[in-house]
Amino acid sequence: DVKVTQSSRYLVKRTGEKVFLECVQDMDHENMFWYRQDPGLGLRLIYFSYDVKMKEKGDIPEGYSVSREKKERFSLILESASTNQTSMYLCASSSLRDRGFSGEQFFGPGTRLTVL
Amino acid sequence: QQPVQSPQAVILREGEDAVINCSSSKALYSVHWYRQKHGEAPVFLMILLKGGEQKGHEKISASFNEKKQQSSLYLTASQLSYSGTYFCALTNNFNKFYFGSGTKLNVKP
Repeated sequence: DVKVTQSSRYLVKRTGEKVFLECVQDMDHENMFWYRQDPGLGLRLIYFSYDVKMKEKGDIPEGYSVSREKKERFSLILESASTNQTSMYLCASSSLRDRGFSGEQFFGPGTRLTVL
Repeated sequence: QQPVQSPQAVILREGEDAVINCSSSKALYSVHWYRQKHGEAPVFLMILLKGGEQKGHEKISASFNEKKQQSSLYLTASQLSYSGTYFCALTNNFNKFYFGSGTKLNVKP
């Protein structure tokens, strides 16, 4: 059974704290993604990674950084948490299909982060 | 660059049909469709890679028109289990995804 796991389902942090969200996949996928989901806005891409130590910015990278030291693990870091980063954070992974297209994305259960 | 989905919400009776549209201002390489039930993660439904190609998944099918930069999801003879929020996700390069804002579908008995 394929799996993407996230380190926490719920997290409460204070403004200014450094926050780490961890994501692990067991499918040997090349691609990993971090999204945030807010009501009415769908899923917005923060960062993605197509290989170990490789990363690209998504639509809303400001205030976030990422780390991928091992193929199965992709971490999202909030350098100094702010209240406007209160959101649901979803991690996903996908393999590469023929011709280089990304295959289906498998999502983790999400982390609901509240910044007070 | 976020694709535009329409309608934003749909209410159906069991057995009725629905169409959800997704359009982009950018040239597209592929389209994914996902469904998310309340409190759960999105789940993949299908992927379309070629213009005009229709793919099917039981009573759910989709089309992708590269020229019009549009995709449509067709739900036939809807069931209660179809309720949820549907998202299209478009790529204009191979790995960067842009999700639509979602279409909330509510199927009633």
